[in-house]
Amino acid sequence: SSELTQDPAVSVALGQTVRITCQGDSLRSYYASWYQQKPGQAPVLVIYGKNNRPSGIPDRFSGSSSGKTASLTITGAQAEDEADYYCNSRDSSGVVFGGGTKLTVL
Amino acid sequence: QVQLQESGPGLVKPSQTLSLTCTVSGGSISSGGYYWSWIRQHPGKGLEWIGYIYYSGSTYYNPSLKSRVTISVDTSKNQFSLKLRSVTAADTAVYYCAAYELAEYFQHWGQGTLVTVSS
Repeated sequence: SSELTQDPAVSVALGQTVRITCQGDSLRSYYASWYQQKPGQAPVLVIYGKNNRPSGIPDRFSGSSSGKTASLTITGAQAEDEADYYCNSRDSSGVVFGGGTKLTVL
Repeated sequence: QVQLQESGPGLVKPSQTLSLTCTVSGGSISSGGYYWSWIRQHPGKGLEWIGYIYYSGSTYYNPSLKSRVTISVDTSKNQFSLKLRSVTAADTAVYYCAAYELAEYFQHWGQGTLVTVSS
């Protein structure tokens, strides 16, 4: 199966903008979806499709894609955005997840 | 709002079969649109897709686990289940059930259940 590659860790100053990226061949054919996971909790969907947010997800979260790279952007990061973020997409073997990015808000 | 809840033993002995059930509420498992999925997360690690089932019974498994996994659905109980055979300590993880909407994104998740494989 294909893989999705994410940077293990990213940091952002409070109120600034951060981009978390996800790379993989499957992203040329399928949209990525993005999940936020806080310690001890289940993942929560934050972005899906071209750039869609489920109900209740703040509009500071947005998604984009180009070629084999998908990005999750947080515009004006808040302290509560500190979490692990995972990308995911379909692939030829079923479903694949990225390894996750730990976001630290400074 | 669809809600999911995992249930099953928290401790399984090596070489035995791990069995978990996910109960779906707030919607019918037969309504279509969702692929009912199992995902696991090893301690301190990332997410690993195990497989999914459609209400019709069609299944799709992670190739790396396919030889040991069976996912089934019981529409009368609004439940789906996971069986993972011949477990080892490497199968110790938090197991999540999730609703994979339109086979594109995991819209709803259970809270997860920790399964430890140990004698």
